[in-house]
Amino acid sequence: EAQVTQNPRYLITVTGKKLTVTCSQNMNHEYMSWYRQDPGLGLRQIYYSMNVEVTDKGDVPEGYKVSRKEKRNFPLILESPSPNQTSLYFCASSLRGALSSTDTQYFGPGTRLTVL
Amino acid sequence: AQKITQTQPGMFVQEKEAVTLDCTYDTSDPSYGLFWYKQPSSGEMIFLIYQGSYDQQNATEGRYSLNFQKARKSANLVISASQLGDSAMYFCAMRARDSGGSNYKLTFGKGTLLTVNP
Repeated sequence: EAQVTQNPRYLITVTGKKLTVTCSQNMNHEYMSWYRQDPGLGLRQIYYSMNVEVTDKGDVPEGYKVSRKEKRNFPLILESPSPNQTSLYFCASSLRGALSSTDTQYFGPGTRLTVL
Repeated sequence: AQKITQTQPGMFVQEKEAVTLDCTYDTSDPSYGLFWYKQPSSGEMIFLIYQGSYDQQNATEGRYSLNFQKARKSANLVISASQLGDSAMYFCAMRARDSGGSNYKLTFGKGTLLTVNP
């Protein structure tokens, strides 16, 4: 089944404790992206990757890191989480992403993160 | 810069009736794509329908149709024969390039919460 998977689905952590949210897709998509969703703000892009070893900042990159060592994986790293990073996080992928206006983006199930 | 506006924070509809969710957009890019996603209370984002800027006909997918009015820059989602399972948050999104840019960016509206009443 074609899908985007994320782990963990739920995470409660404390300020300053490094964490990684994994993301994997099995559709051979070149483009992958991370979003955060907050009430009243919709979805905002954190980082995106147009291909292996190619990553770039989205609209709200501060406090986050990403890497793209393999085509299928795109982990999101919070080196020192803070309470304002409490949010619902989505990983997404699409075939060509930033190179096409027609590309449909498919989302993972979401990771609900709480930073105390 | 691209902008997507959904002016209805919440909408109510009776089961089996049709409902229109509004979406207006702004971009200077002549080549763009418009998308609608559904987010039920379980949280996942489900792709519903796509409309390209050069498409002559309105997109349809089952009970979903997109009322595309290019001159007005609107891309309203029409759900016919509403069902209780349609209760969810609905997001309009646009993929377009910034002025002078070469990369397409997907921008989301803030969403409309639809409640279907029995």
